[in-house]
Amino acid sequence: DAEITQSPRHKITETGRQVTLACHQTWNHNNMFWYRQDLGHGLRLIHYSYGVHDTNKGEVSDGYSVSRSNTEDLPLTLESAASSQTSVYFCASSERAGEKLFFGSGTQLSVL
Amino acid sequence: DQQVKQNSPSLSVQEGRISILNCDYTNSMFDYFLWYKKYPAEGPTFLISISSIKDKNEDGRFTVFLNKSAKHLSLHIVPSQPGDSAVYFCAASAHVYNSNSGYALNFGKGTSLLVTP
Repeated sequence: DAEITQSPRHKITETGRQVTLACHQTWNHNNMFWYRQDLGHGLRLIHYSYGVHDTNKGEVSDGYSVSRSNTEDLPLTLESAASSQTSVYFCASSERAGEKLFFGSGTQLSVL
Repeated sequence: DQQVKQNSPSLSVQEGRISILNCDYTNSMFDYFLWYKKYPAEGPTFLISISSIKDKNEDGRFTVFLNKSAKHLSLHIVPSQPGDSAVYFCAASAHVYNSNSGYALNFGKGTSLLVTP
């Protein structure tokens, strides 16, 4: 079955470190997204991509970057981790832009 | 600015009764609406959707109602079951490109539903 997987499931890091969260999907979807979930804020869009070599900033993109070198993967990089980036991160993909998203299981990131 | 609003952070309902979760939106360009369900330590899963050309969509115990003039939608769960206890997110998108979010889904803050036996 097609799926979307995120790794690691849990990560603890120190402020100032670079961290990369992996996202891999086997749906063959062109559209991929990163969201973060925080109490009181719901799901907020960090970055998104509509195809290989396409990347775009979402509403909370400061301090994050993504790259899309193939259809299956959209890694999320925190350039210099900050305590404000402690959150649960969800990767998602969709077949058609603006329509149903399939989510991964999430990565719980703690920045100490 | 939050374009999709879920003003009730939590809701408690007895098993067998109806659960009604509400959602309001501000962007008149939104034309596709979805509900997601999320259990702890899992990713959100798609529940039901509705296009703006409809005002109701049913799937088993779940029904979504859309009132475009009021920019309001609601999710009805009948009858509610303890396994429905989860956080429910309302989401919306527009098939018109947005310079801030492209065609990405815009989510509300979620409503935590507790169904008690």
